[in-house]
Amino acid sequence: DAGVTQSPTHLIKTRGQQVTLRCSPISGHKSVSWYQQVLGQGPQFIFQYYEKEERGRGNFPDRFSARQFPNYSSELNVNALLLGDSALYLCASSLVISLTAFSYEQYFGPGTRLTVT
Amino acid sequence: AQRVTQPEKLLSVFKGAPVELKCNYSYSGSPELFWYVQYSRQRLQLLLRHISRESIKGFTADLNKGETSFHLKKPFAQEEDSAMYYCALSAGYSTLTFGKGTMLLVSP
Repeated sequence: DAGVTQSPTHLIKTRGQQVTLRCSPISGHKSVSWYQQVLGQGPQFIFQYYEKEERGRGNFPDRFSARQFPNYSSELNVNALLLGDSALYLCASSLVISLTAFSYEQYFGPGTRLTVT
Repeated sequence: AQRVTQPEKLLSVFKGAPVELKCNYSYSGSPELFWYVQYSRQRLQLLLRHISRESIKGFTADLNKGETSFHLKKPFAQEEDSAMYYCALSAGYSTLTFGKGTMLLVSP
């Protein structure tokens, strides 16, 4: 298994444009999470999807949206891009999500580097 | 809201020296704490979690609820330990809150 895969690797967009990032989880993993990592910061949680439903959302504006497909792959969409959206976008998958305190290991992809000019 | 603080951006030690990467957290409930590591040109990966109480690559971390800390320790640093280390907290649903990270540089 190649692990979590993300596409594209790099992307350059201009302000106001829209972008779609893609993620394929590890085979058998049903949960996908998205994180934004700005230079010099730790990853910040954006969304979590499990069984095609949104299970969690971080503190991001409505310009950010996501969805999960029947094959458990996922897309992250960002509309009306701002310079501040320039970051590394990470996707992580896990077998399940936990509704209790116990969490399952998340496996991260290599990320998509988005540059907004 | 939960928060994770890693006070050191950079920690530089010599090979064979002890290492302690600090992590403090704030959360009102019972969190799960993790250490993730990112080696050069590699993806972020789990190093260890407090619930399993295991030692990975010689690293250990003890959850101190009284001090709300989860410091990462290793008695003798190796050059291959040089990497970016992130402390993370999970408050449920497997979502993670990360600290800003500490770069560990181990010199020969």
